[in-house]
Amino acid sequence: AQSVSQHNHHVILSEAASLELGCNYSYGGTVNLFWYVQYPGQHLQLLLKYFSGDPLVKGIKGFEAEFIKSKFSFNLRKPSVQWSDTAEYFCAVNLSGGYNKLIFGAGTRLAVHP
Amino acid sequence: GAVVSQHPSRVICKSGTSVKIECRSLDFQATTMFWYRQFPKKSLMLMATSNEGSKATYEQGVEKDKFLINHASLTLSTLTVTSAHPEDSSFYICSARGTSGGKGGYNEQFFGPGTRLTVL
Repeated sequence: AQSVSQHNHHVILSEAASLELGCNYSYGGTVNLFWYVQYPGQHLQLLLKYFSGDPLVKGIKGFEAEFIKSKFSFNLRKPSVQWSDTAEYFCAVNLSGGYNKLIFGAGTRLAVHP
Repeated sequence: GAVVSQHPSRVICKSGTSVKIECRSLDFQATTMFWYRQFPKKSLMLMATSNEGSKATYEQGVEKDKFLINHASLTLSTLTVTSAHPEDSSFYICSARGTSGGKGGYNEQFFGPGTRLTVL
């Protein structure tokens, strides 16, 4: 069965620190990859997505992610975090061209201290 | 991006009653909608996939007689929690899939704000 693993459940950073959140998936076929963010008390918002093409994807709010097919990974990065980035981050995968079921990782709770 | 709304945003009910949650795509037509459940401090768990005009497809372990899903139009899907019990208390989130050539295409889902259900 397909699965998505997020390695860090809880990350605490100071403002201006760099961020990298890991995401690995298990599926051998072609996938679409997503990172969603859920700010406290708000609904899920799409940060960025990868369907095809350049494996380095830039999203909103200065976030980017790199798809490394050989490692089945899609790690999220931001060079300098802000207090407003405090939120929960979810990596998700669906199977390209087929059934559109999204499989979510367990989420990473990021706390950024001023 | 495309907008998905849910109503109500919060509901409190007595044990044994039924609760209906609506999910609407406001500015696009959604042939497919998804219902998720999110437990505290945990990820989203897909409950079922709802296709307009046909029966929903439920994930393993989800009781179809307890969680009734209706997708009567291209912009509305409803989830009814029947005979709710305290263990059904949770955050229910819907999403709608885009359409070919439309917002996000087939491969992107747009999420509603969620409904917090509390069963006393």
